Amino acid sequence: NAGVTQTPKFQVLKTGQSMTLQCAQDMNHNSMYWYRQDPGMGLRLIYYSASEGTTDKGEVPNGYNVSRLNKREFSLRLESAAPSQTSVYFCASKVAGVETQYFGPGTRLLVL
Amino acid sequence: QQQVKQSPQSLIVQKGGIPIINCAYENTAFDYFPWYQQFPGKGPALLIAIRPDVSEKKEGRFTISFNKSAKQFSLHIMDSQPGDSATYFCAASPWGAQKLVFGQGTRLTINP
Repeated sequence: NAGVTQTPKFQVLKTGQSMTLQCAQDMNHNSMYWYRQDPGMGLRLIYYSASEGTTDKGEVPNGYNVSRLNKREFSLRLESAAPSQTSVYFCASKVAGVETQYFGPGTRLLVL
Repeated sequence: QQQVKQSPQSLIVQKGGIPIINCAYENTAFDYFPWYQQFPGKGPALLIAIRPDVSEKKEGRFTISFNKSAKQFSLHIMDSQPGDSATYFCAASPWGAQKLVFGQGTRLTINP
């Protein structure tokens, strides 16, 4: 039982490049989330998916798109990366009816 | 718009001391208040949570105190140990809501 896994662990991009961050969970959870963590800003929600087939914007969605590929997988895409998107990105999941969110190990992204 | 304000941003305590981290919220619809603990290079993990029907909850050396009238809650760590050194996030949401709102985080260092 791997929990929540994220790939890649670390990525360097140039301004304007695109990339997709991958997230998968093997806990049969319904809801999945993408957060970014920046110093002094805490964890800010980018997008979430309450169930397979649905996605909703969080607090900071601009510059990002998401896909809930199936119940297990939730990807985050940066179409044209900007230096302001330099951050650590966390994926999380939770099961319906339980409040606890389970986080992955994070992806550290540097945009030059 | 940050709806949960956390302080201090960083805290250094000697081993055996009692660090206290405070959070304040504005939204009276919030009725679930978890604390997450994050070690360097890892994702956050649920530490302890409280609902407003009680004013205090203890789990081992960790205690949440909750003041509904002041709209504040705090985390106390008894007999703190160097292994407690981590970043701590408070959060809040209405019970059953899909989204958590996180505080800015507190980097705690326990010196030996």
